[in-house]
Amino acid sequence: DTGVSQDPRHKITKRGQNVTFRCDPISEHNRLYWYRQTLGQGPEFLTYFQNEAQLEKSRLLSDRFSAERPKGSFSTLEIQRTEQGDSAMYLCASSEGLAAYEQYFGPGTRLTVT
Amino acid sequence: KNQVEQSPQSLIILEGKNCTLQCNYTVSPFSNLRWYKQDTGRGPVSLTIMTFSENTKSNGRYTATLDADTKQSSLHITASQLSDSASYICVVRSGGYNKLIFGAGTRLAVHP
Repeated sequence: DTGVSQDPRHKITKRGQNVTFRCDPISEHNRLYWYRQTLGQGPEFLTYFQNEAQLEKSRLLSDRFSAERPKGSFSTLEIQRTEQGDSAMYLCASSEGLAAYEQYFGPGTRLTVT
Repeated sequence: KNQVEQSPQSLIILEGKNCTLQCNYTVSPFSNLRWYKQDTGRGPVSLTIMTFSENTKSNGRYTATLDADTKQSSLHITASQLSDSASYICVVRSGGYNKLIFGAGTRLAVHP
């Protein structure tokens, strides 16, 4: 399967714990995006990378959130000291080239904070 | 404020029937408009992408229209199938680095 993959698919954690999600984009896609989606809503932009450079962060990305893409391939999204409001689906997408025309989404990681 | 609004919020139709979903946007600058299908618990999958100059685009039983003057788009589904049950999300691209603005989606349920 050469699509975008995310791991884990589901994560249940207790409030206050740290969690880390991983995204593997489509090979050779130089742009990678993270989104958060709550129930009944469309995805909201969190941050994006071009290669290893993090070029934009949404104001939704509080200090407890950090994203990395150290080698310009896979990316991780870490949430520290999780809160119940962090419960959501975290989606990763990737796109290729300077035109960055089409974003391909992964299946998402569903986080539940109890 | 850049916004994408969709209607209806939810829709139930019988298998074989047609339906039309609506999208209104106030996004500037406008680059293109996309419709995505999202199955429950899965990531969105692109159905169509339309640029400013395109009025209609089809993808099988899905036909999207775009009126850039009124900033409205529609997605028409013909001869619905049970597998069409999903959320349909209207997404507008704004700017040059592929920033996407998502609507809340229309949840479609196709019943036998």
